[in-house]
Formats: sequence, structure tokens, C-alpha cells
Amino acid sequence: ELKVEQNPLFLSMQEGKNYTIYCNYSTTSDRLYWYRQDPGKSLESLFVLLSNGAVKQEGRLMASLDTKARLSTLHITAAVHDLSATYFCAVEGQAGTALIFGKGTTLSVSS
Amino acid sequence: EADIYQTPRYLVIGTGKKITLECSQTMGHDKMYWYQQDPGMELHLIHYSYGVNSTEKGDLSSESTVSRIRTEHFPLTLESARPSHTSQYLCASSEGTRKIQETQYFGPGTRLLVL
Repeated sequence: ELKVEQNPLFLSMQEGKNYTIYCNYSTTSDRLYWYRQDPGKSLESLFVLLSNGAVKQEGRLMASLDTKARLSTLHITAAVHDLSATYFCAVEGQAGTALIFGKGTTLSVSS
Repeated sequence: EADIYQTPRYLVIGTGKKITLECSQTMGHDKMYWYQQDPGMELHLIHYSYGVNSTEKGDLSSESTVSRIRTEHFPLTLESARPSHTSQYLCASSEGTRKIQETQYFGPGTRLLVL
């Protein structure tokens, strides 16, 4: 059974600081996704990472994938308040079935 | 930006009532999904579809049913609502062609409260 674990589950940061969110998954998968969810809102796609160890960056967020370690990281650089949200990683199940989500990391950035 | 719609956005209903949550997408996507999300928790897959007349149950048994008669429409029905069904329901779709950058696009969600 495919399981996805994120840590930390809650993260309180000061503006301007750097931090990394970790996502481990239990079995081989074709691709890994990162989503953002604001309170009371739906999910917004941030990154799609393929099994070839891609690294992607968008603004202050950078995601990477280590398929051997079954680990993805979401690195936050110089955090700003607007990044406060819950971040989910998700892994595709067998043969392109639906996504298995981690529990999410709730990020709070304060000045 | 993805065009996927859900109605109603909010619903308060009594126990035992039958309800249908609507989901439509205008992107021509083959794959569609329903997820359930309790506040502050992860998403759980309850149903998915690979195309017209194709439906499968997900990992979470939610006592609901779905249909896929048209590509763009994927309604979710609860025959008899119970308080344990109180949650947020998110619909999603993806192209289904296994393109390199394929991703799932999510609708705005329906928040359901069963009294």
C-alpha cells in the first residue's frame, strides 16, 4: 500500500527565513505533485516532478525529487507572509490512478 | 487556469436526505475524481472515472455513488445523508493522456453539513 508522509505537519516561520518541508513515500511511483491550499479554498497545483529527479523552482519555492530515497523536498527561501498556507505532496498510485496525499504541512509566516 | 465547477458550494441538510453534488469541467478531460477532506486533514479518494461509463471506487468507503454519462459531468450522490458525511468534497480532473506535465485540477469544493 502506497503511503505518503510529510513533515513537519505544522511550521511557524519568521519572514526572511529559509526552511524545508519533507515528503517521503513508501513505494515506487511515476510522479510526485506539490499543491497549495489556502484556508477554505481548493487546491492549487504548484509542481509536478517526474521520476528522473527533476528540480523545479517558482518564486521563493523550490521542489526536488530523489527517486532512490523516495523523498521530495519543498524548500522555502526568504519566507513572506503570502506563503502562509497548507502544502500537500501527493504521489500517483499504480498505473495512473488517483493521487495519494500526505497529511499536509500548515505553514504560518509572521513578521 | 482550469475550468472545473462544483455546485453547491455549501449545503446544510438533514439526516436521511438524498443529495447530489455536481461537478463539471469544460476542458474535455477524460479522468475525473472525487476526494473527501475533513478540516485540516489530508484528501481521501472516494471515486474516480477514466471516461464515459467508467467509474471506480477509491480507498475511502463513503457510501456514495457516482455516474459518468457525459465527459464533462461527474455527479456524486449520497442516497441517505448522515452526520458522518459532514466534510468537504473536492472534484478534480486530468487530461488522461499521460503527458509529461499532466496534473490534476481541482474544483472549489462543496462544504457539506449533515444535521
